[in-house]
Amino acid sequence: AQTVTQSQPEMSVQEAETVTLSCTYDTSESDYYLFWYKQPPSRQMILVIRQEAYKQQNATENRFSVNFQKAAKSFSLKISDSQLGDAAMYFCAYIANTNAGKSTFGDGTTLTVKP
Amino acid sequence: EAGVTQSPTHLIKTRGQQVTLRCSPISGHTSVYWYQQALGLGLQFLLWYDEGEERNRGNFPPRFSGRQFPNYSSELNVNALELEDSALYLCASSWVVRDRGFHEQFFGPGTRLTVL
Repeated sequence: AQTVTQSQPEMSVQEAETVTLSCTYDTSESDYYLFWYKQPPSRQMILVIRQEAYKQQNATENRFSVNFQKAAKSFSLKISDSQLGDAAMYFCAYIANTNAGKSTFGDGTTLTVKP
Repeated sequence: EAGVTQSPTHLIKTRGQQVTLRCSPISGHTSVYWYQQALGLGLQFLLWYDEGEERNRGNFPPRFSGRQFPNYSSELNVNALELEDSALYLCASSWVVRDRGFHEQFFGPGTRLTVL
């Protein structure tokens, strides 16, 4: 069974600084997608960034980037120039291409941004 | 364009009762997903519907069921409620997903279910 582990229940960062959130996963599949979702307090969950496993190049979306290490089954999220609006719970998620529609989520990391 | 909507926002039930949660997807989306998010935990995949058919199911007992209507809206039914069913139930929708691949899932605000 696929599992997703986020080992950092809570993280904090100073505004304008950089923070990295960790995620590891376990799968026997070779074709899959990985995601980071953001869930602000009392607001809807939104997709931050996604990575296709077959792509070697790390995905980047503005201030958000990932470090995808397929062999190590690691998928960390780096947030640069942190802003107060980045404060949220962040979830790492996985979906196998052979098991369409069924996502597996980690337990989340709560990110606090200090002014 | 309206996002994914869910109703009701909050619900309080007692153990043993039955509950129905509703979800309306974004216009044009035919896939609807249901997740359970217990307090402080990640999302657990419940069900995936596409074009009226149940396409995939998570590791939940049969008392969790649902359906998708011709207009692609969906219901989640939970029978014989238990205390541990207390959670935020999230619905998401996406463009049609065939047997493989992925389309971004857009989430609704959720329904907070409390079982006493």
